[in-house]
Amino acid sequence: DAGVIQSPRHEVTEMGQEVTLRCKPISGHDYLFWYRQTMMRGLELLIYFNNNVPIDDSGMPEDRFSAKMPNASFSTLKIQPSEPRDSAVYFCASSSHREAKNIQYFGAGTRLSVL
Amino acid sequence: AQKITQTQPGMFVQEKEAVTLDCTYDTSDPSYGLFWYKQPSSGEMIFLIYQGSYDQQNATEGRYSLNFQKARKSANLVISASQLGDSAMYFCAMREAQGGSEKLVFGKGMKLTVNP
Repeated sequence: DAGVIQSPRHEVTEMGQEVTLRCKPISGHDYLFWYRQTMMRGLELLIYFNNNVPIDDSGMPEDRFSAKMPNASFSTLKIQPSEPRDSAVYFCASSSHREAKNIQYFGAGTRLSVL
Repeated sequence: AQKITQTQPGMFVQEKEAVTLDCTYDTSDPSYGLFWYKQPSSGEMIFLIYQGSYDQQNATEGRYSLNFQKARKSANLVISASQLGDSAMYFCAMREAQGGSEKLVFGKGMKLTVNP
């Protein structure tokens, strides 16, 4: 069974450009999470969805960040305009409430560099 | 206050030895879950083990076990018979049940190096 799939794996862009990160959760999972990992702040939750509906977006840094989940098998995280301080590894994770432990399984991450 | 504390920045262990990675947590929620993840140099986050606050026994998954001491609010990961492939960053995380949130809060992590 395929795990969480993220694309691209690496993204290099210039300040001011729009960046779109993509995620395909594990089939059948009803929760989807976006995390950001930096050396300074560690791993922090940005937003999560349940059944395609955003539940908690309190971790989204500012209006430049937006996330959507148009269907159960696809989500995007968009940064517009991007800034150098957005450079980080962005992880997508998914989980299922049907599992007692509701374990979050992570994708391989997207390493974003904003020059 | 930090929710998850991992005070060991790095540890070194000889291959085939056991190693304990420390994690303490802070919560007033009686229902919570504790998780350990491994992040090798390749970058992916790999789930290792889970302990629920009401679980009567310490969790075990192969060479991984969790030394859960509820009164001390600690959830230390024990890796038995270390292997070179265990060299990685290890993260402890907690999910509090209050409000039905599925949010995971992670510690800063610690780096384990297994020497041959």
